[in-house]
Amino acid sequence: GEDVEQSLFLSVREGDSSVINCTYTDSSSTYLYWYKQEPGAGLQLLTYIFSNMDMKQDQRLTVLLNKKDKHLSLRIADTQTGDSAIYFCAEGLTGGGNKLTFGTGTQLKVEL
Amino acid sequence: DGGITQSPKYLFRKEGQNVTLSCEQNLNHDAMYWYRQDPGQGLRLIYYSQIVNDFQKGDIAEGYSVSREKKESFPLTVTSAQKNPTAFYLCASSMRAQNTGELFFGEGSRLTVL
Repeated sequence: GEDVEQSLFLSVREGDSSVINCTYTDSSSTYLYWYKQEPGAGLQLLTYIFSNMDMKQDQRLTVLLNKKDKHLSLRIADTQTGDSAIYFCAEGLTGGGNKLTFGTGTQLKVEL
Repeated sequence: DGGITQSPKYLFRKEGQNVTLSCEQNLNHDAMYWYRQDPGQGLRLIYYSQIVNDFQKGDIAEGYSVSREKKESFPLTVTSAQKNPTAFYLCASSMRAQNTGELFFGEGSRLTVL
């Protein structure tokens, strides 16, 4: 079955880089996503990567995909206090009715 | 502005009562979803609907019911059969034919059983 795993907590200092990791089990996943959830709110899509890509960069965000190891990571450069949130990775199939499987979420705390 | 509206934001229920959470979207999306969020467990899919008058069970449908009579609306009823209903409930929607599969989420409803 599908399973997506993340570590629960990450603490970094402001200005440092943050790296949030995720492992997944469904090798047929077409897209992999990173969503951000601020306290008491819904999720917002940060970025996504198609499964035939190794890397995607979008401003301060870099997504790396190791399809062989089924490992996905999100790097946030120059982390700011406003980046403090829960980050979820998710996997999904094109044509799968957009039924995504989400990870457990990683709570990122940015300290001054 | 287009978006997804969930109500109420906070809800308290006594044991044995049914409660209905509202979800309305004006994005003209075909598909809608209900997720449940518990600390340390991420999001788990309760029910989803790809088209009006049709819906499917997700991973944790027991104790919940839904309806999809209108494209814009996908209410979730938490019944007394749900043994541990205290949680944060998130509604989402998406374009059915969208290749990237992006979900758009509401702000959530927090249900507490007293």
